[in-house]
Amino acid sequence: DAKTTQPPSMDCAEGRAANLPCNHSTISGNEYVYWYRQIHSQGPQYIIHGLKNNETNEMASLIITEDRKSSTLILPHATLRDTAVYYCIVRDGGAGSYQLTFGKGTKLSVIP
Amino acid sequence: KAGVTQTPRYLIKTRGQQVTLSCSPISGHRSVSWYQQTPGQGLQFLFEYFSETQRNKGNFPGRFSGRQFSNSRSEMNVSTLELGDSALYLCASSRAGGANVLTFGAGSRLTVL
Repeated sequence: DAKTTQPPSMDCAEGRAANLPCNHSTISGNEYVYWYRQIHSQGPQYIIHGLKNNETNEMASLIITEDRKSSTLILPHATLRDTAVYYCIVRDGGAGSYQLTFGKGTKLSVIP
Repeated sequence: KAGVTQTPRYLIKTRGQQVTLSCSPISGHRSVSWYQQTPGQGLQFLFEYFSETQRNKGNFPGRFSGRQFSNSRSEMNVSTLELGDSALYLCASSRAGGANVLTFGAGSRLTVL
């Protein structure tokens, strides 16, 4: 079973920041938080990941709470192309299996 | 650089047939994993290969099998197809070690009639 809980859907106005929450209350010390998104009928696309510090890349920012039980993915200026299903995944970032357990994700709709 | 390439992109089979799907990973990536995506079950892990060895397997019947070649290319096979095998089959590759970031291909969409 997925170790994360996400809202099933969210709307965001184009040009505004999209803040996607994720709860992972059972996360262990060596588990990372990964975010992927899937645009309709395409393969999932990696966005960002983090362990305990906040992270930022060209696509998004990841804010992880101090107790690591939840996180928020931030798309700073959402565009229509950001409409997708966003998956928050918790897994061991060390060497070993590369299995990902996907939950149902959050369907983000960016509204013009 | 070239991404993960999956072939064929679309195929139609009938019940009882078998199918083989191919995945060419990103150059230098040694891990290849396969996922099945259906509307009802979402994305489910099938298996993962690293250096020609199956390292992990999901909860799928033995009709689903795979292999990896010395050049890291991978194939998966589904025998005795059932209607429920209709799905998008996704392959992902990853460089060994590091952040374990997966790069997915566009998928092979299988329809079983």
